[in-house]
Amino acid sequence: GQQLNQSPQSMFIQEGEDVSMNCTSSSIFNTWLWYKQDPGEGPVLLIALYKAGELTSNGRLTAQFGITRKDSFLNISASIPSDVGIYFCAGNSNAGGTSYGKLTFGQGTILTVHP
Amino acid sequence: SAVISQKPSRDICQRGTSLTIQCQVDSQVTMMFWYRQQPGQSLTLIATANQGSEATYESGFVIDKFPISRPNLTFSTLTVSNMSPEDSSIYLCSVGQRGNEKLFFGSGTQLSVL
Repeated sequence: GQQLNQSPQSMFIQEGEDVSMNCTSSSIFNTWLWYKQDPGEGPVLLIALYKAGELTSNGRLTAQFGITRKDSFLNISASIPSDVGIYFCAGNSNAGGTSYGKLTFGQGTILTVHP
Repeated sequence: SAVISQKPSRDICQRGTSLTIQCQVDSQVTMMFWYRQQPGQSLTLIATANQGSEATYESGFVIDKFPISRPNLTFSTLTVSNMSPEDSSIYLCSVGQRGNEKLFFGSGTQLSVL
């Protein structure tokens, strides 16, 4: 099946630093999504990307849909303590039929921010 | 985005018993999706619940183990049957937008099986 390789697995940074994480795949995705999950909560959608090359920002977050449609990255600028959590990339191949709603998730990046 | 309410938020169950998880959405949706997140792992789709038809299960998941109901366009249940410790996970309900290209998730049900 499809797999997403997300890196790094974990990051320990100082408050104010910038963060970058990425996902790569051997298959093409038509939609890339980035989620953040806090302990005891479901994932919250941060950014959705719909076409190759698209660069989208949401506050201090910026994400890009790779030109090859096989990768995406997420940057967080000027990190703050509340950025702590697990960040997941997810891809949707939109193959139609029952494939809609079937997201393939990366393994997650655990972010720790030291004040 | 839709408001998705799930309950219970957590439960501790004995092996061999069953637990039914409820998911309520504040708007009508055609499809609802049930995901599982095993400890320290990523999310995996269990099944897609369509109103008025049987759920569609992903490879590795079967109806006898995870029966799903979808009585109307705002509600669904997932039952985890004959539980074993390997079923200890977070179970998440989700709904989509833009043709289900992007999904929104409920807060999940943290299940521990002893």
